Amino acid sequence: EDKVVQSPLSLVVHEGDTVTLNCSYEVTNFRSLLWYKQEKKAPTFLFMLTSSGIEKKSGRLSSILDKKELFSILNITATQTGDSAIYLCAVELNTGFQKLVFGTGTRLLVSP
Amino acid sequence: EAQVTQNPRYLITVTGKKLTVTCSQNMNHEYMSWYRQDPGLGLRQIYYSMNVEVTDKGDVPEGYKVSRKEKRNFPLILESPSPNQTSLYFCASSLAASGGAGGELFFGEGSRLTVL
Repeated sequence: EDKVVQSPLSLVVHEGDTVTLNCSYEVTNFRSLLWYKQEKKAPTFLFMLTSSGIEKKSGRLSSILDKKELFSILNITATQTGDSAIYLCAVELNTGFQKLVFGTGTRLLVSP
Repeated sequence: EAQVTQNPRYLITVTGKKLTVTCSQNMNHEYMSWYRQDPGLGLRQIYYSMNVEVTDKGDVPEGYKVSRKEKRNFPLILESPSPNQTSLYFCASSLAASGGAGGELFFGEGSRLTVL
């Protein structure tokens, strides 16, 4: 069974801290790994990773994929209260259509 | 503005009363999908559609129906809702039905459904 596991389940940090969110996967046919941020409503896209070892970066957020060890991390530096959200990891399978398997998410709370 | 629009956003209904959640996208996307999100279970796919008149079951299709008569619309139908269908529902779309190209799913804002 295809599986995506995120850790920790939840996390509370102080503004200015750096956090690392983890996503490991076991899937039959990997195509890509995606990170989404979910605040109070719709998940919004952060990154798509397809190749090992190549860091994707957007402002204070960065992510990297390790296809040998089957995991990805999402780093957020100098956290702000606006980073408080659920962070979702999803693996896209290499099927004939766009099939995503989602993790349960990491709930991040950044306190002022 | 590019968006996926769902309605209603909130609904409380009773067991057995048929309801439809509408979903519309204005990005000319081929692929559309419905997910439900439950605590501790993450997002699970209900149905998806690769194009007009092409739909298929996802991981949790029981109790749901869909249709794709036009490219922009993908309604989710609950013929006889039950309390275990109480959930947060998301419609999503993407450009390429085969995935890979971009890979990004665009989500609607969610419909919170409560079945009493």
